[in-house]
Amino acid sequence: DAKTTQPTSMDCAEGRAANLPCNHSTISGNEYVYWYRQIHSQGPQYIIHGLKNNETNEMASLIITEDRKSSTLILPHATLRDTAVYYCIVRVGRSNDYKLSFGAGTTVTVRA
Amino acid sequence: DAGVTQSPTHLIKTRGQQVTLRCSPKSGHDTVSWYQQALGQGPQFIFQYYEEEERQRGNFPDRFSGHQFPNYSSELNVNALLLGDSALYLCASSLTHGPGGGTYEQYFGPGTRLTVT
Repeated sequence: DAKTTQPTSMDCAEGRAANLPCNHSTISGNEYVYWYRQIHSQGPQYIIHGLKNNETNEMASLIITEDRKSSTLILPHATLRDTAVYYCIVRVGRSNDYKLSFGAGTTVTVRA
Repeated sequence: DAGVTQSPTHLIKTRGQQVTLRCSPKSGHDTVSWYQQALGQGPQFIFQYYEEEERQRGNFPDRFSGHQFPNYSSELNVNALLLGDSALYLCASSLTHGPGGGTYEQYFGPGTRLTVT
């Protein structure tokens, strides 16, 4: 699976959009981009995933660049409850490598 | 619809002892993965069970073993506990045979906090 690079930490104001970048310059054509988050002392929570088209669900939007070398997770209206570590993971959607490889993630702090 | 459940929530053991952690997958899921998360680090993959067989294993010693039951629930066993085994142990469930086949996103339980003294 391709490696990802994320900023170590970022702050966001409550009520504003939070834009979380992820670099995955070595991604291959059959690899998806997945986002999870982990609120303190809880299990990771699936947020969204995509292949090449932008995706949106009730939690967030995922914008993937045309060359697929980077992506941005957007939390449209950040709340204090969005404070968490956010993990960007790339993996083949269907393969015999089933694991999720977590990096260090981005620690997002939403401030009032 | 029940999510992934794990038991116990917290556990304290002594070096050299053995421990068993339990996981019930999300309703409708048939695959269970286990992860270890040390303090301040991301989760590390231990192994995955499907159809009661271990089908992939991460870089963990044989002291870590598992089992999956016919109802898809799973156990993680750790023998000869070391201080370094202190961590949050996470179970994740997923569906292998969904529409169109393939594996899908994994849903995590709240974890079991193991402390080895």
